[in-house]
Amino acid sequence: ETGVTQSPTHLIKTRGQQVTLRCSSQSGHNTVSWYQQALGQGPQFIFQYYREEENGRGNFPPRFSGLQFPNYSSELNVNALELDDSALYLCASSLRDVYDYGYTFGSGTRLTVV
Amino acid sequence: QQQVKQSPQSLIVQKGGISIINCAYENTAFDYFPWYQQFPGKGPALLIAIRPDVSEKKEGRFTISFNKSAKQFSLHIMDSQPGDSATYFCAASINTGNQFYFGTGTSLTVIP
Repeated sequence: ETGVTQSPTHLIKTRGQQVTLRCSSQSGHNTVSWYQQALGQGPQFIFQYYREEENGRGNFPPRFSGLQFPNYSSELNVNALELDDSALYLCASSLRDVYDYGYTFGSGTRLTVV
Repeated sequence: QQQVKQSPQSLIVQKGGISIINCAYENTAFDYFPWYQQFPGKGPALLIAIRPDVSEKKEGRFTISFNKSAKQFSLHIMDSQPGDSATYFCAASINTGNQFYFGTGTSLTVIP
């Protein structure tokens, strides 16, 4: 099965709660990146994982954390949710050299914090 | 601070016309410039990409024009079709590309 799968598709959480978003990478891809896309904006880089290690981080606080598993699936965890965390969270998998093939994005998880 | 500036914010084109979306950047270390297409409810999908060693790349109806000295690049969609109606994002990255900097997006509507 090809493609990137994200779950859940939609989620509503209360401010202060914690959330875990999941991503299953495209077969053969060893690198996963997470992006936050606010309404009407372009995606903003959160972090990237390669071989289960964080391989770069954007301008996001430590309450955003992640994991990559041996099968290259991944999780994004957000603690102490704030209203501004409401956004579409995109997972993108790729080969280590992203230049030739680019990212393959999932359809995202729409998180609403109330 | 927006690393990649994209314009226009929205664009309406007649079927068969040419759609042109522009992006500009400041960081001369950027060395990979992809364009992504996003339909509602879906993640962005890679459309076409260019590296700064060429000035133009064409794939079907889609062409990237790249002006290294002006630090600008643009997407041209020839013979635009209603199915091209989507949001388009330009992006840029450095070196290994572990972080893509996306523009703010252009909503394209192609009128039949």
